[in-house]
Amino acid sequence: QKEVEQNSGPLSVPEGAIASLNCTYSDRGSQSFFWYRQYSGKSPELIMFIYSNGDKEDGRFTAQLNKASQYVSLLIRDSQPSDSATYLCAVKTNAGKSTFGDGTTLTVKP
Amino acid sequence: EPEVTQTPSHQVTQMGQEVILRCVPISNHLYFYWYRQILGQKVEFLVSFYNNEISEKSEIFDDQFSVERPDGSNFTLKIRSTKLEDSAMYFCASSEYREIPLHFGNGTRLTVT
Repeated sequence: QKEVEQNSGPLSVPEGAIASLNCTYSDRGSQSFFWYRQYSGKSPELIMFIYSNGDKEDGRFTAQLNKASQYVSLLIRDSQPSDSATYLCAVKTNAGKSTFGDGTTLTVKP
Repeated sequence: EPEVTQTPSHQVTQMGQEVILRCVPISNHLYFYWYRQILGQKVEFLVSFYNNEISEKSEIFDDQFSVERPDGSNFTLKIRSTKLEDSAMYFCASSEYREIPLHFGNGTRLTVT
């Protein structure tokens, strides 16, 4: 089982729609959860982080965490073509190592 | 906003040569990391560094790799004898505390020929 698993994608949504990105993780001791956006050829850029169960909203982005189900998601409301990128889920354990998922490529079509 | 800076942006080397990739983490950060990303693949953890020593390393980080913080600002990754499969983008990252998000540099693209 992969340590961090993301829905394989690619995911395509029309402009203005909600994009839903999902991630599961295997280490129950994981404490911190991050979503990064990576444009082709660029470095990962932090979008959201969440530490506690529940929802966390920041503008058009909402991160959802369910530790019992070992599941974290990212919702992007009112998707824009500029949101087209690969979204990386990262999970940090108590040891401090961040493990990344394979990423989900999102395309927002105008 | 403070940035993690990496040099060079692109390094071409011949197989068997040594390379040193350089990073200047954000100045008040205490935790430093190297990740790599082979073209089209996932971001992979190599090593974390805190208090002048390695705190964790992956199975990728074998004896060919070493890290150093030679002074108060630089953080380097050395690959002693490069192999073709070392060709990748290498990202340096830092964080102020262990739990908080990573700040990534722009990466060094290493090409081994």
